[in-house]
Amino acid sequence: KNEVEQSPQNLTAQEGEFITINCSYSVGISALHWLQQHPGGGIVSLFMLSSGKKKHGRLIATINIQEKHSSLHITASHPRDSAVYICAVFMNRDDKIIFGKGTRLHILP
Amino acid sequence: DSGVTQTPKHLITATGQRVTLRCSPRSGDLSVYWYQQSLDQGLQFLIQYYNGEERAKGNILERFSAQQFPDLHSELNLSSLELGDSALYFCASSPFSGGGETQYFGPGTRLLVL
Repeated sequence: KNEVEQSPQNLTAQEGEFITINCSYSVGISALHWLQQHPGGGIVSLFMLSSGKKKHGRLIATINIQEKHSSLHITASHPRDSAVYICAVFMNRDDKIIFGKGTRLHILP
Repeated sequence: DSGVTQTPKHLITATGQRVTLRCSPRSGDLSVYWYQQSLDQGLQFLIQYYNGEERAKGNILERFSAQQFPDLHSELNLSSLELGDSALYFCASSPFSGGGETQYFGPGTRLLVL
């Protein structure tokens, strides 16, 4: 079993839909990051979470430390949100970083 | 533009060869992280340097080595290259160290080993 599991692997939705991507982990962490990778390959950090909830524009990220689970939500999705979304956890025992396999999101106009 | 630069953008080489990838962090950032992204393995953490010292080590092969210089730029050396080393190599930087900081990613170096 992978230490970081993301779901779904692939997601296709219509423009305007509410999107949820999930990340579960099994190790002790100091922080969790959500990353966005566009088709061209560039990676952008969206959120860093150690507790609670953060919001930036149409993006919301939450984390539940007790349940070892995080979600990334996109409201009013748009075709430009089409990308791969990756969660990454920073392990608190040795500062290593483990990535989920990513969720490929495709928003249809 | 993240402010992190990586050179070269693309690299094609043969098995058994040695290459050096270079990363310049954002101005003022002390940490540099190296990552490998291959089609079958996804993103993997290789190694982190903080202010010239190795800080954390991930799945870095013995054939690979890295260092961070006094001007804070970093180099990743890959030797005895194999076909399976073909991948995108990213570096990222952050102001200090630890998971509680945003990382800024470079555009990556695409390595193809033939």
